[in-house]
Amino acid sequence: AQKITQTQPGMFVQEKEAVTLDCTYDTSDQSYGLFWYKQPSSGEMIFLIYQGSYDEQNATEGRYSLNFQKARKSANLVISASQLGDSAMYFCAMREPSNTGFQKLVFGTGTRLLVSP
Amino acid sequence: DAGVIQSPRHEVTEMGQEVTLRCKPISGHDYLFWYRQTMMRGLELLIYFNNNVPIDDSGMPEDRFSAKMPNASFSTLKIQPSEPRDSAVYFCASSKTGLVTEAFFGQGTRLTVV
Repeated sequence: AQKITQTQPGMFVQEKEAVTLDCTYDTSDQSYGLFWYKQPSSGEMIFLIYQGSYDEQNATEGRYSLNFQKARKSANLVISASQLGDSAMYFCAMREPSNTGFQKLVFGTGTRLLVSP
Repeated sequence: DAGVIQSPRHEVTEMGQEVTLRCKPISGHDYLFWYRQTMMRGLELLIYFNNNVPIDDSGMPEDRFSAKMPNASFSTLKIQPSEPRDSAVYFCASSKTGLVTEAFFGQGTRLTVV
């Protein structure tokens, strides 16, 4: 069963506008974590932002914020004031429970964001 | 440090051939992960090592896949025999702790099996 769903294969936004990338998740655990990663064309995965299931406030990191709606099981990424360098693939991920001390992640299929001048 | 280094960046091979992907983690990182990325399934964890020991290989798709970490500075992911459905981008990542927020990814190896 798909645990992380990203329904937008591609998104377009104009420079300086805000954009929301959708992510819904499925879990029966009470304690979990949600992550967003950016993958530019060079291929590496860059960690952007993290939201814990018990965090009461939405996470923010600079121009990135996470719109966490626990009841709806959604964790949308909002990028404000888009820049050309934001063009990339964006992956939503959820931490699976682990007793090994390692945070095992399950990733969505990604959304390709293109920022136009 | 140069970051996580993967080689080759691109690999094209014929079905049935053996393929070996290589990874050099960041020095001092005790955790090493192998991921596979496809359009249909996104990014999947295949296996991870802690202090050179495989801890969880439940993501390895089948016996054709094997991974080793003979020392702290080198790991391989081998596919034998390769099949067209193995075509994907394979990522290696390393971290000092088990926290994925501290994991650094390599640039990946794009594998095409024809």
